Formats: sequence, C-alpha cells, structure tokens
Amino acid sequence: AQTVTQSQPEMSVQEAETVTLSCTYDTSESDYYLFWYKQPPSRQMILVIRQEAYKQQNATENRFSVNFQKAAKSFSLKISDSQLGDAAMYFCAYRDTGTNAGKSTFGDGTTLTVKP
Amino acid sequence: GAGVSQSPRYKVAKRGQDVALRCDPISGHVSLFWYQQALGQGPEFLTYFQNEAQLDKSGLPSDRFFAERPEGSVSTLKIQRTQQEDSAVYLCASSLGQGTRNEQYFGPGTRLTVT
Repeated sequence: AQTVTQSQPEMSVQEAETVTLSCTYDTSESDYYLFWYKQPPSRQMILVIRQEAYKQQNATENRFSVNFQKAAKSFSLKISDSQLGDAAMYFCAYRDTGTNAGKSTFGDGTTLTVKP
Repeated sequence: GAGVSQSPRYKVAKRGQDVALRCDPISGHVSLFWYQQALGQGPEFLTYFQNEAQLDKSGLPSDRFFAERPEGSVSTLKIQRTQQEDSAVYLCASSLGQGTRNEQYFGPGTRLTVT
C-alpha cells in the first residue's frame, strides 16, 4: 500500500520569506500523481499544485513550486514571498493512475504559521 | 458556479444513534469521493463513486458505514450505531471525470461528534 509521510508537524516563516515543506512517499508504481493541498481553518481543502510523475520538470504555480525527486520518492513544496494568507495546514497527497485512479492517500499534514 | 456542499456542517450524536451525512457535488461531476479526517490527521479514503456506481469501498471501516449515490449526483454517507471512534470530519470531494488527472474539489466537511 502507498504511504505518505510529512515529517514536520509544524513550521513557521516570516512574512515575505521562503519556506519549504517536506514530503516523502512510498510506492511500487512508476506512474502516479502527487499533490499539495492547503486547508485553512475553515476546512475547505484547496489544491495548491500538482506533479505528474512522468514529468521531470518541477511544477510551479506563481509563488509555489515543488522539488520532485522521483528516485528518492521526495516531493517538497517551496513557498516564496510568504504571505499571511498562506497560513494553513498543508497536506501532501499521492494518487495512482491504475485501477485505484482517483483514490488519494494523504500525509498527516504540516501546520504553517506566517509571522508578520 | 457553486462548489461542493455538505450538510449538516456539524452533527452531535449519542453513541448508538444512526446518522446520515449529505454531499452535493458540483453539477455534472461524475466522480465522488468520501474521506474521513480524524483530529490532527490527514484525510483517509472511505469510498468512491463514478456516477451511481460505487467502484471502491475498501476504506469503509466497518459494516456500520454505508454510502449511496442513487441518481449519480447527491450522495449520502450513513453510519449506523455510531461509536466514539467515529468522531471525525467527513469530507466529500467531486471531480469532473474519472481518473487521476481530474482535480478533486472538496466540500467544507461535516464534523461528527459522538458522545
């Protein structure tokens, strides 16, 4: 079974600075998707960024970028120029492309605090 | 358009009671997912529908949990004879099509507390 591990329960960053959230996963599959989701205190989970395993190029979305290391099964999220609105819980998630396509496996999350 | 909605947002049940949690997906979305999120943890997969067909229910923790989507739109997650360990936030998500590529849109969740 696939597992996702987020080793940092809490992180903090100064406003306007950069922070990196870590994620590792375990799978025997070669083709899959990885995601970072943001969950503010209101609880609505929002997709931040997505990476397709067959793509070597790291995904970027404005201030958010990932460092995808397939061999190491590592998928970290970098937030640049942190803003107060970035404060939330962040979840790393894995999704198969096979018969379980659509079913996501989540890590336990990292709570990000942004200090003004 | 409207996002995924869930009702009720909060539910308190006495141990042994039955509860029904409702999910209204985004109109036209084929796939619908239920997840259980315990306090301080990530969501855990419960079950998955494609239209009205329940394709995967491997995550349902016991036979007290039952989900349906009879007309391929609204879904209900039913928990019979609730136990304290059922206390969690239940998240629903929908996506436009089947398969991995499609983005899953999450609802706000229903927080269930069993006393």
